[in-house]
Order: sequence, then C-alpha cells, then structure tokens
Amino acid sequence: DGGITQSPKYLFRKEGQNVTLSCEQNLNHDAMYWYRQDPGQGLRLIYYSQIVNDFQKGDIAEGYSVSREKKESFPLTVTSAQKNPTAFYLCASGAGAAANEKLFFGSGTQLSVL
Amino acid sequence: EDKVVQSPLSLVVHEGDTVTLNCSYEVTNFRSLLWYKQEKKAPTFLFMLTSSGIEKKSGRLSSILDKKELFSILNITATQTGDSAVYLCAVSDSGYALNFGKGTSLLVTP
Repeated sequence: DGGITQSPKYLFRKEGQNVTLSCEQNLNHDAMYWYRQDPGQGLRLIYYSQIVNDFQKGDIAEGYSVSREKKESFPLTVTSAQKNPTAFYLCASGAGAAANEKLFFGSGTQLSVL
Repeated sequence: EDKVVQSPLSLVVHEGDTVTLNCSYEVTNFRSLLWYKQEKKAPTFLFMLTSSGIEKKSGRLSSILDKKELFSILNITATQTGDSAVYLCAVSDSGYALNFGKGTSLLVTP
C-alpha cells in the first residue's frame, strides 16, 4: 500500500541529546513537509522540501535540521538547541499543483523529554 | 494573532444528529481552504475549496466556502460514532505553510 511511514511512534529525548525522526514515503511525491502539533494549537510548519537535495525553513525551524538525500526520505533531527521539543510531529507529502495543500500525512511521532 | 479560527473547539452529539463546524479566516493572497479529519494520529484530507458557493460533498459530509465573509462550514449529517475525530481547517496563501486552526473535537455518542 502507498503511504507515509513515520518511526518511531514514541521517542524520548534526554537533555542535550539530538534525536532523529524518520519519515519515508512510497507515493512518489516530490514535496515533503514536517509539521509540529502542540495541544490546543494548530499545526505549524518546521521544514519543507520540494525536491531532492533542497529544503527550506518553515515558520518554526529553529532547533531543527533536515536532509533530503532521497526522494522517499525526509528525516528530521531535533537538536539540543530546541528547548521545548515535547510535541507530536507529523510528516506529510504532496504532489502536483496542490502539493502543499492536499497533503498525505504519516501517523506521527510523539516526542517527550526525560 | 490566529489567522484561522475554528468553532466550536469541542462538541458532543448523539448518533444521528447533524453537526455544523465553522472555520473563519483572515489571510492575504488566499488560495484555498482545506478540511482534514484527524482520527487518533494521522490527518486525512476531506475537501479543498477554492470558489465561493460551490458545495463539495462526500457521502454524509459536505462543505462550502464564502470568500466574501471569509468562512467555511463543514456539515455532517446522520452522524455515526466513526465520525468522532478532530476536524482541522487550514488555509493556503502565497507561502508554502498551511495556516491551521486549532481544530474542533467531535465526539459522537451512541
């Protein structure tokens, strides 16, 4: 089945530690996105990539980094510079004229700080 | 300042009821308004609206956009327990980020 796979489902980070969230898609979509979801808030864009080897900062990129070495993969690293990393992280992809509108989401990773 | 405001934030109804979810927005360079359903974890796409007055329909769900008054409604008729979810409204403008509202949490009780 085509879709987006995020792993792990749950992740714990110790202070000062970098952690990486995985996102893989087999939909052959060019565009991929990372959104952060906090309780009582709307989803906010962290980073996006429209094509392999290119990515752009979203609204809340500080303390995060990404890479896009393959079309299928868009991992997100939460660095120690991100002081409030506890949140639900959603990866998404899109294609065509509505590539940033009609999104296909993964099942998310819940990141918590120990 | 929120660009997309959804109301109500939560709602409890009985199976068979009809519900109306609201979404108002204020963005420049409007491109589209989208509705997503988030059950448990992964949001799934419901509708994309770009023109005023044209109803989009899928089964018991329907949605319409009013670009003059800057709002959209999502209707669900004959609700079922499987409709229980968080419904997200988002607006696309000239940027790449969708502007999401906080969501409406709907609980349908048997």
